[in-house]
Formats: sequence, C-alpha cells, structure tokens
Amino acid sequence: QVALTQSPSASASLGASVKLTCTLTSGHSSYAIAWHQQQSEKGPRYLMRLNSDGSHTRGDGIPDRFSGSSSGAERYLTISSLQSEDEADYYCQTWDTGIRVFGGGTKLTVL
Amino acid sequence: DVHLEESGGGLARPGGSLRLSCAASGFTFSSYSMNWVRQTPGKGLEWVAYISSRGRTKYYAESMKGRFAISRDNAKNSLSLQIDTLRDEDTAVYYCARGTSCSNTTCPSNDVFDVWGLGTMVTVSS
Repeated sequence: QVALTQSPSASASLGASVKLTCTLTSGHSSYAIAWHQQQSEKGPRYLMRLNSDGSHTRGDGIPDRFSGSSSGAERYLTISSLQSEDEADYYCQTWDTGIRVFGGGTKLTVL
Repeated sequence: DVHLEESGGGLARPGGSLRLSCAASGFTFSSYSMNWVRQTPGKGLEWVAYISSRGRTKYYAESMKGRFAISRDNAKNSLSLQIDTLRDEDTAVYYCARGTSCSNTTCPSNDVFDVWGLGTMVTVSS
C-alpha cells in the first residue's frame, strides 16, 4: 500500500530558497502527488500536482516561486525567494484505488 | 468563486452521533468526487472518506470503517459525513475537499484535493 514520508521540520532564511522532500514507498515511484500548504490556524491550500516526470500544475493563484520536481521515488517542493508568509506546514498527498494518503507534513520555519 | 463551507461541528458526548455538512458553490458539484479529511489538534492531515460524483462509490480509511458514513445530495450541492458511536479520539477539525473531475460514467482516482473548506471543529467530551 502506498505511503508518504516527510521530514518533520525544515528552516531557511528570508529571501532564500528551500527544497522540501516527500518520499513514496518502494514500488510506487511512478505515482503523482499533490502538495498542500497549511498556514497557522488556517485550512489547507492546494499548491500543485506533481507528476513522476517532474511536470507540475500549480493551483489557481499560486505564485511561480513554488515549483516541483521529481527523482525516482522522491517528490520535491521548492520555494524560492522565501517570504514570511511561507512559514507553514507542507503536506504531500497521493492516491490509489480505494485510498487517499497524506504524508506526515513538514513544518517550515522562515528565519 | 469556488467555495466549500463545512458546518455541523460542536461538542458531542462519547457514544453519541454527529452529522457534518459541506455546502459547495461556484462549480458543478455533481461532476466532482469529494472527500472528508480530519486533523486532530496539533497533528497532521488524515484522510477520512471519499465519494464519487454520483455517490455510487465510497471509500473509507481503514480506521474509519463502520462508524463513518459519507453521502451527497447533488441536487442541493451538499456533502455529508455521519459519525456514530463518537470517541474521544474523533476530536478534530473536519474538512471537506474537492477530489477530481469525473466523466459521465467514471471518476479517475487522481484526487488532488484542489479546493478545501475552512473546516468545522468536533469536540468529543463528557
């Protein structure tokens, strides 16, 4: 059964870039995922769909500072020109027949 | 403007029942699969249940089977989640989220949760 693993925390400086990682379980490296952002005390917001070939489609209104890439079973979310409002929890999510799955989330701190 | 709004949360007793609702607007509700997702305080997102665009197919997370029931009324652009035999561990914010666009005959499984509501808080306590 597919599952997703994320590092619990990450940090980067204001104006810098950060790359968050989401890892698919063995045997599921062809799966696409979605990335979601959840700012403190808010509901989640869809960022993008990310395919296994690295192609990605951002959600409405998501700035191009947010980009995705893939390598094998790894799915990445890169945020460039970090802003204070990027401090949030980031979740990856995927799907299979009969199941929808979230990673544990990465808490991003903007220094 | 695409919008989802949950309601029905509140304080409930262990062993009781609760029915959550999600009102959809700004898109053709009947053409999309829908999901419920919950988040216990201080924890991550947990998928609860899925329903296809016409309501014919339903899936539940393994730990939710038996006490949770998802349903929809396309005429009213409404999604529901019935929770029975409430437990303390059901205390969470419950979100509805749009899945994916479906054809007349089938829904693909690629639910990307591209629209979220603000959530409704359920507190189970005696």
